[in-house]
Formats: sequence, C-alpha cells, structure tokens
Amino acid sequence: AQKVTQAQTEISVVEKEDVTLDCVYETRDTTYYLFWYKQPPSGELVFLIRRNSFDEQNEISGRYSWNFQKSTSSFNFTITASQVVDSAVYFCALSEAGGGNKLTFGTGTQLKVEL
Amino acid sequence: NAGVMQNPRHLVRRRGQEARLRCSPMKGHSHVYWYRQLPEEGLKFMVYLQKENIIDESGMPKERFSAEFPKEGPSILRIQQVVRGDSAAYFCASSPNHLDTQYFGPGTRLTVL
Repeated sequence: AQKVTQAQTEISVVEKEDVTLDCVYETRDTTYYLFWYKQPPSGELVFLIRRNSFDEQNEISGRYSWNFQKSTSSFNFTITASQVVDSAVYFCALSEAGGGNKLTFGTGTQLKVEL
Repeated sequence: NAGVMQNPRHLVRRRGQEARLRCSPMKGHSHVYWYRQLPEEGLKFMVYLQKENIIDESGMPKERFSAEFPKEGPSILRIQQVVRGDSAAYFCASSPNHLDTQYFGPGTRLTVL
C-alpha cells in the first residue's frame, strides 16, 4: 500500500530564510509519480510540481527547488529566501501507475513565514 | 482557459438533508476525482470517474454517498441524509487522462448543522 509521510506538522521561519519541507514515501510500484501541492489560507489547492519515478533530476523553479532521492524514498521541497506569501499548507502526494491515478496525500506541513 | 469549477463554494445543510456538490472539469479533461478534507485530517481520495463510468470508488463511504459523471453536464457528488461528521471541504480534480496531473477546483465547504 502506498503511504506518504510529512513529519513536520508546522514550521515557522523569518522572511528571507531558506526552508526545506520533508516528504518520505512508500510504494511497491516501480512506476509512480510524486507531487507537491500548496494550499494557501484561501483554501484552494495549487499544483506545484510532478515527478515520475524514472526521473531523479532535481528541479528548480524560481525560489522553489525539489530534491528527489529514490535511495531514501524522499522528495523534499526547498523554498529559498522565503516570503510571507509562501505561508500555506504544503502537501506531498503520490500516485502509482497501477493504482488508477488516485493520489495519496501526506498530512501536510503548515509553513508560516513571518516578517 | 477556465480551471476546474466547483459549486457551490459553501453549502450549509441540516442533519438529514441532502447535499449535492457539482464539479465541472477543465476543458479537454474527461477524468474526474473527488477528495475529502476533514478538519485536522489530510486529503483523502473518494472516487474516480470518467464520463458515464465509475472507475474506482474505493474511498467512498459505503452508505449515503454516491457520485456520477454524466455524458453531459458536471460531475455530481451526492450525500444523502447528511450528518455532522460529513462537514468537510470536498475537492474535485480533473485530468486529461488516467496518468496525467490532477488539477483541483476551489473546493466546496460543507457545514452540517
């Protein structure tokens, strides 16, 4: 069975600090997809990134970067020079190719960025 | 290009009433998924549908909940005889095929009094 663990329930940082959100996953499938979604205080879910299990290249998008390591079953998310607008709940999620595309979410990490 | 649309955004029902939640997928998307976010819990998968077919309903409660995605019109999540424990945010997502990224709607916040 697939499982996603986000051990950090809440993180508080001061603006301009770098912050890393951890995500550890479990799956028996060899083909799977990993995601990060952002849920700001307004409540909607915003797609950030998708990675497939065969692509371990790290990705950078502006201040966001992702580190995918199959050896440790981790897909961590780093925000560089955090801003107040980054305050949100961030969810890591997993889907298996053989699982009909349903997403299994972690419990989320609440990030608070303060001035 | 409009995103996934859900209505209503907020819905209040009394215990025993019915709740109908609607989801219109993104243009070109024929796969719809429903998830529920209970207070203090993460998002849980409920059901996956294609046009006129339920593909996976392994996350749906066995009673009172049903979903459909007709040939024409939005997908509907129906909750009969609502109870207070049904109070949650219900999110719909859509994708163009069974392996592609799911994009989420803004959610419907259901409150049962």
